[in-house]
Amino acid sequence: AQRVTQPEKLLSVFKGAPVELKCNYSYSGSPELFWYVQYSRQRLQLLLRHISRESIKGFTADLNKGETSFHLKKPFAQEEDSAMYYCALGPQGGSEKLVFGKGTKLTVNP
Amino acid sequence: NAGVTQTPKFQVLKTGQSMTLQCAQDMNHNSMYWYRQDPGMGLRLIYYSASEGTTDKGEVPNGYNVSRLNKREFSLRLESAAPSQTSVYFCASSGGQGARTEAFFGQGTRLTVV
Repeated sequence: AQRVTQPEKLLSVFKGAPVELKCNYSYSGSPELFWYVQYSRQRLQLLLRHISRESIKGFTADLNKGETSFHLKKPFAQEEDSAMYYCALGPQGGSEKLVFGKGTKLTVNP
Repeated sequence: NAGVTQTPKFQVLKTGQSMTLQCAQDMNHNSMYWYRQDPGMGLRLIYYSASEGTTDKGEVPNGYNVSRLNKREFSLRLESAAPSQTSVYFCASSGGQGARTEAFFGQGTRLTVV
């Protein structure tokens, strides 16, 4: 079964420090992986997807099939990066279902 | 292009009252979801619908019913509201393939049960 694990519920860093939000997935095939972000009192929105190999707002994420991970990284965190971050997996096979992790709340302190 | 629209945005219910949260999407997506998000917590899936007329229980389905009458709309019903159902409810839809795959979320419904 597809599963997404975000081991950290909370993550706190200081402005200018590097940040890494962890995501591990469970799936036997070739995964499609995404990061979504939710700013305070707003809806979730797509941040980036691995297939595009893009950098958005300074964030990057590399798919590591050997470690089944898709960690989100930013070299220098900003206060405006404070938000909830969700890793998502899918869809696969005949299903269009996306599976979301439980989320990590990132706080960037001044 | 409105995306995913939820109504209402806010609601206060008394314990035992019933209500239906409405959700509609205009992106021709097959998959639709209902999540709840408690303060400081992550998303928890209530129900999922893969297509019109089909629904699957998620992580926390107790106390809720859903209806997917057509491709656009996916409603969530609370038959007898309880204080434990105080939460923010998000509807979402997803579709596409490969680089076009994406989920879209509604703006949320803030429900308080007193």
